[in-house]
Amino acid sequence: GESVGLHLPTLSVQEGDNSIINCAYSNSASDYFIWYKQESGKGPQFIIDIRSNMDKRQGQRVTVLLNKTVKHLSLQIAATQPGDSAVYFCAENGGGADGLTFGKGTHLIIQP
Amino acid sequence: NAGVTQTPKFRVLKTGQSMTLLCAQDMNHEYMYWYRQDPGMGLRLIHYSVGEGTTAKGEVPDGYNVSRLKKQNFLLGLESAAPSQTSVYFCASSYVPRQETQYFGPGTRLLVL
Repeated sequence: GESVGLHLPTLSVQEGDNSIINCAYSNSASDYFIWYKQESGKGPQFIIDIRSNMDKRQGQRVTVLLNKTVKHLSLQIAATQPGDSAVYFCAENGGGADGLTFGKGTHLIIQP
Repeated sequence: NAGVTQTPKFRVLKTGQSMTLLCAQDMNHEYMYWYRQDPGMGLRLIHYSVGEGTTAKGEVPDGYNVSRLKKQNFLLGLESAAPSQTSVYFCASSYVPRQETQYFGPGTRLLVL
């Protein structure tokens, strides 16, 4: 889930296992959600998005699930690889500014 | 197609100095954004622009100014740098503000002593 402090939550998984990263979003008016991956020293990179008229969307090795009832978003990564090691954060389009509101991120660590 | 580029990549400033960060995008996007990212925190919006010649304040605008004289460029200025502005700054752009992903640059690391 998302962190409200200085330390990011960490998820440690074995290489080859599936990873599930969770996000609780805040604005019930949000109707568009995105997952980003940020590797060390790089900018955020788009992974997958989903609109509120869908509950599930699949990409290559990734699946995003949306539960609007409890305002919860999850990212599933199948057969996790060393290259998946990064900080993952979600974004929603609710909020005051004319753009996206970002969560604080989860650090995914891959154990060999 | 370079996407979103940022210059410089890294800079060290003394308190009170000024500098300008440059963001350029070649995707013909109308919307551009400046964020800062601090350890353990998500991206916080500083300023954004909905088109050439327009700018607006985001969540943390104090101490920063911006300009969008050309559609492809978005400049972030620090008039008098403070240690609290030590951060990593990301620029982003998008076609549509709330219905499509934003594309990010590689970031500028700024250290204010």
